[in-house]
Order: sequence, then C-alpha cells, then structure tokens
Amino acid sequence: DTGVSQDPRHKITKRGQNVTFRCDPISEHNRLYWYRQTLGQGPEFLTYFQNEAQLEKSRLLSDRFSAERPKGSFSTLEIQRTEQGDSAMYLCASSPTPRGAYSNQPQHFGDGTRLSIL
Amino acid sequence: KNEVEQSPQNLTAQEGEFITINCSYSVGISALHWLQQHPGGGIVSLFMLSSGKKKHGRLIATINIQEKHSSLHITASHPRDSAVYICAVADNTDKLIFGTGTRLQVFP
Repeated sequence: DTGVSQDPRHKITKRGQNVTFRCDPISEHNRLYWYRQTLGQGPEFLTYFQNEAQLEKSRLLSDRFSAERPKGSFSTLEIQRTEQGDSAMYLCASSPTPRGAYSNQPQHFGDGTRLSIL
Repeated sequence: KNEVEQSPQNLTAQEGEFITINCSYSVGISALHWLQQHPGGGIVSLFMLSSGKKKHGRLIATINIQEKHSSLHITASHPRDSAVYICAVADNTDKLIFGTGTRLQVFP
C-alpha cells in the first residue's frame, strides 16, 4: 500500500492559464474523490468516480473544471482559464467499493496539490 | 446554516488534559468520519462510525444517531496531538460533507 499520490504538490500560475493535476489512488480502490479546500475551511466535494465512470459532480465544478479517470486508475483534474478564486488545496481521496448497498468505507487522502493563482 | 457544525473552532490545552470536540449534523447520513489534518495539508482518517463508540489508543469517538451528534475525545493529550480535527458525514455514495474543523493546540 503506497498510499494516494498527488502531483504536483504545489502549482503557481498566472490568472488565465490552464492547469492539470494528477491523482494516483491506492491500486485496488475503485472509488476516487476530488475535494477542494480553501484556507481556514473544511474541504468541499467536487466530484467522484466509480472506476472510470464519473458518477456525481458538485455545483462548485463550473464548466472550467473537468475531471477524468480514463482507465479507472489514475485521475486528472483540469482547470481552464484559472481565476483568483481557484486558489486552494485540491485533495484527492480513494476508497474501496462498499461491500453492501449502504456500507461505507474509510477514505484515504493524498497530501493535496496547493494551487496559487497570481 | 452549515450541514455539519463543529465546536469549538479553536481549542488550546495543557499536556495531559482531556479534550472533547463536538460535531452536529443536520442531514441524513450513513456514516460519520473523524479526520486529522496536519499543517501542509495531509489528512488522515481516524474513525468511521455509524453507531455507538469506537476507541483507538487515546482517541475515543461516539455518535448518537437520534440526536445527530458525535464527539471526539482525546485522553492524556500530548503536543503531538496538535492538528486540525475535522468531522465529516457520508451519504450512501461515501461522498463526504465536511465541518470547518477544530484547531487544537496542546502545550507542554
């Protein structure tokens, strides 16, 4: 178990540029989640995948944001035409598929990608 | 009103003190998580519970489903416990709704 890996750890870019983040979940985990955390706040849900299928997207995820998980393994989160308000920590988490219809699983978090927009 | 409320927002303690952090939620849930976040961002899952009580070392988590309330207790607190503690609730998709966190500082 090598844990959830996120790359890069930090990204500084100018407003208007596009950025892409990568998340490598724990290998046997089917579910992958993206969250965003601004300073002093708790994380907020952005989107999640079950294998390669994107099952839910938050209203926070404007059309400038897109996430993919093409082979059901790693995932990418892209932000186009970045804005000052996009500055945040972007967290990825993964979990195994629940064993029953309503059972839950702990989520394993990566260390996050901190995005700073100049 | 946030769906998950934590109190207190900030907490300072002397080493050895017993600490309680509270979490109230207003939505239906299938599980509640307590998480620990250290400076730099890394989040570690401490507990996931849907009823009763769980204990791990000096940490104890309880939940009252009827009252929609959970508590995290730390016994014999230590400076290394200093971190942000976050309560989060999960629906049946495991999607988490987070509280804003409680910043704990334990002084020697």
